[in-house]
Amino acid sequence: DSGVTQTPKHLITATGQRVTLRCSPRSGDLSVYWYQQSLDQGLQFLIQYYNGEERAKGNILERFSAQQFPDLHSELNLSSLELGDSALYFCASSGWVQETQYFGPGTRLLVL
Amino acid sequence: EDQVTQSPEALRLQEGESSSLNCSYTVSGLRGLFWYRQDPGKGPEFLFTLYSAGEEKEKERLKATLTKKESFLHITAPKPEDSATYLCAVQVKDKIIFGKGTRLHILP
Repeated sequence: DSGVTQTPKHLITATGQRVTLRCSPRSGDLSVYWYQQSLDQGLQFLIQYYNGEERAKGNILERFSAQQFPDLHSELNLSSLELGDSALYFCASSGWVQETQYFGPGTRLLVL
Repeated sequence: EDQVTQSPEALRLQEGESSSLNCSYTVSGLRGLFWYRQDPGKGPEFLFTLYSAGEEKEKERLKATLTKKESFLHITAPKPEDSATYLCAVQVKDKIIFGKGTRLHILP
């Protein structure tokens, strides 16, 4: 158990809808990262927050957004969902030494 | 363009048959290289961080090494429970780039 929690575990929704994925980092970790993992693309970095501020951006679509709250939990919002958004979404956290990331169990999103 | 390539894509070994997984990278300004293990449907589990060429780290049957262009994950006398996908990742400035992984299957 990495200490990172993600909810929900599974999510099934329809095209065009909007969903919110939630992540609670390990106790004391200030950085949160979001990743998307699909079969053909591997693990793709989406975005990083550090202590409430956006720190780095990867291949995140404009339809996706994220934020980190004062209690350090983070949410990833996915809107206008398309079939291709079906994937595993992982959250990871790290402390001030931001290199070592600890991953949560993931949210499996299925868009029908 | 920064790139991380892992080989082979898949590897089947007999229990006890040692081998190595490769992670080659072309990046500017490597700040660290990481190895993770991922079981199906689960989040990656951290194994090692390497920072400079020549560095080595070991954990049970696994040993990771780093050169200026690549890293190897050596698996000695593997057991069926070592079956998983092994991911390599590099940190460049504020970005972490993952390879596509090597799927390792150890036959009893």
